[in-house]
Amino acid sequence: EAQVTQNPRYLITVTGKKLTVTCSQNMNHEYMSWYRQDPGLGLRQIYYSMNVEVTDKGDVPEGYKVSRKEKRNFPLILESPSPNQTSLYFCASSLSQGITEAFFGQGTRLTVV
Amino acid sequence: GENVEQHPSTLSVQEGDSAVIKCTYSDSASNYFPWYKQELGKRPQLIIDIRSNVGEKKDQRIAVTLNKTAKHFSLHITETQPEDSAVYFCAAAVYGNNRLAFGKGNQVVVIP
Repeated sequence: EAQVTQNPRYLITVTGKKLTVTCSQNMNHEYMSWYRQDPGLGLRQIYYSMNVEVTDKGDVPEGYKVSRKEKRNFPLILESPSPNQTSLYFCASSLSQGITEAFFGQGTRLTVV
Repeated sequence: GENVEQHPSTLSVQEGDSAVIKCTYSDSASNYFPWYKQELGKRPQLIIDIRSNVGEKKDQRIAVTLNKTAKHFSLHITETQPEDSAVYFCAAAVYGNNRLAFGKGNQVVVIP
């Protein structure tokens, strides 16, 4: 089954404790991206990757890092999480950005206390 | 960069009536316009999209219209049903620039 898998689904952590949210897709998609969803603000892009070893900042990249060492994986790293990073995070992949469907993962609900 | 706005933010309709959500965009170079539906607690999923070389596209009870001159596009849902209750996101992209700009979303509530 074609899918995008994120882990964990829920995470509560403390300020400053490094964490990683994993994202994996099995559709051989070149393009992957991370979004955060906050009430009233919609989906805002954090980082995206056009292919292996190619990443770029989205609209709200501050406080986040990503890596793309393999085509299927695109982890999101929070080196020192802060409460304002409490949000719902979605990973998405697509065959080619801008012209094809974006497939979203199930979402990760992150709470930073 | 591209700026996408959606109106209204919340829309309540009686079951069986039609719902229309409108989006405006700023970048005249945008040429791909998808709509995503997000049910409560679930991931966004594509329901319909349109490219700039067509003015309208239909898929059963949903349709999307595009007015490139005015830079707006709309989602039309006919004969609404309770399962149409969700948040709907519009988006716009320019082919090749690898950025998909989303609107803030519309909450549609279908009243049985």
